[in-house]
Amino acid sequence: DTAVSQTPKYLVTQMGNDKSIKCEQNLGHDTMYWYKQDSKKFLKIMFSYNNKELIINETVPNRFSPKSPDKAHLNLHINSLELGDSAVYFCASSPRRGGGEAYEQYFGPGTRLTVT
Amino acid sequence: GENVEQHPSTLSVQEGDSAVIKCTYSDSASNYFPWYKQELGKGPQLIIDIRSNVGEKKDQRIAVTLNKTAKHFSLHITETQPEDSAVYFCAASQFNNAGNMLTFGGGTRLMVKP
Repeated sequence: DTAVSQTPKYLVTQMGNDKSIKCEQNLGHDTMYWYKQDSKKFLKIMFSYNNKELIINETVPNRFSPKSPDKAHLNLHINSLELGDSAVYFCASSPRRGGGEAYEQYFGPGTRLTVT
Repeated sequence: GENVEQHPSTLSVQEGDSAVIKCTYSDSASNYFPWYKQELGKGPQLIIDIRSNVGEKKDQRIAVTLNKTAKHFSLHITETQPEDSAVYFCAASQFNNAGNMLTFGGGTRLMVKP
């Protein structure tokens, strides 16, 4: 009955590799997000994705590309991994976008990415 | 863009005491302010939120206050328990074309000593 799930929980890889993190939500939400949490615990938005509309945060390198096969899934693909990409990545989802109000977001358990 | 500052970065209290965490935000257009609790190895968990049309909200031992004029909001935990120990994050958001992407404060590590 997990609301927002991510796989894998841990990911260790070498510089230069390409990797993907998967996210699924069973809450029926319309909007999904990716956040990055660095070693100092600082949380920062990377992307939001509402149905087929992707909103890209300009500070995110284009090596990062989210892909949404359907409304319940938002995967994060990272090309040419760098040491600085090491962090915990969180997926989140929120009920809907519209009506002029922000809605609560629910987070997944996170994926700890370590690039060596 | 929005900037959220959170204080203190660490807070140690005795079990049963109250804990207060404060945040300020910069963008007067922000209208949604959630608080999250993050336990070790887990994702942030929403514990309470407040919208800009409300000045205070309470849920059992947790309360949040919002001062729109001063652009600050606070989390109050009463009768703290050891299981309240965690990192707490405040955040600010507004609905716009980007959805409602949250801008987080730097976090407060709360330690409740039994």
